[in-house]
Amino acid sequence: QVQLVQSGAEVKKPGASVKVSCKASGYTFTNYDINWVRQATGQGLEWMGWMNPNSGKTGYPQRFQGRVTMTRNTSISTAYLELNSLRSDDTAVYYCARSNNGDYVPWGQGTLVTVSS
Amino acid sequence: QSVLTQPPSASGTPGQRVTISCSGSSSNIGSNAVHWYQQLPGTAPKLLVYSNNPRPSGVPDRFSGSKSGTSASLAISGLQSEDEADYYCSAWDDNLSGRLFGGGTKLTVL
Repeated sequence: QVQLVQSGAEVKKPGASVKVSCKASGYTFTNYDINWVRQATGQGLEWMGWMNPNSGKTGYPQRFQGRVTMTRNTSISTAYLELNSLRSDDTAVYYCARSNNGDYVPWGQGTLVTVSS
Repeated sequence: QSVLTQPPSASGTPGQRVTISCSGSSSNIGSNAVHWYQQLPGTAPKLLVYSNNPRPSGVPDRFSGSKSGTSASLAISGLQSEDEADYYCSAWDDNLSGRLFGGGTKLTVL
């Protein structure tokens, strides 16, 4: 079945970087965009951007430009999210999701990133 | 504060019909498809309705979506205890060139 499996929880210090992986299975990885969405505890969903795994083309909202990088390794059907200059308010669960005409299905299980000194 | 506005909470008793609204503008809901997600406690969001109205395979027909102008709605009929969850609307925004999510509505089954 179509599935996205993410890497495990991370604890980082302020100012550090984090790289989260998202391994796809059950479909042709390069045929669908991958999007990243994060959710702080008790808060709503926040879109972080998209990546076309075939071309590598990406799109980020202005608030994350310069701090976020989305990449992929097509040989292992894996997408990556890297977030730099971490702050305490970056503490959240980070989700990857496969995009199909703008709707997201499925979602990964989520990766908790905690930023704390 | 989200650009897509949802009521923070909604409630109903088993068997009732409840509706959750999502209000936007001409640059998002007014010109793009609306999708709805259900998030059960401690789990990842799940697609409930896509492109305003259709349901993915496996989603009960108790869930239905609609859109009119710059607003959209999710209706849940025959409310069940397992419907207690957070619900989010989503749409692309042409001005921001980005995906928006509503602030979410917490549904309580009384």
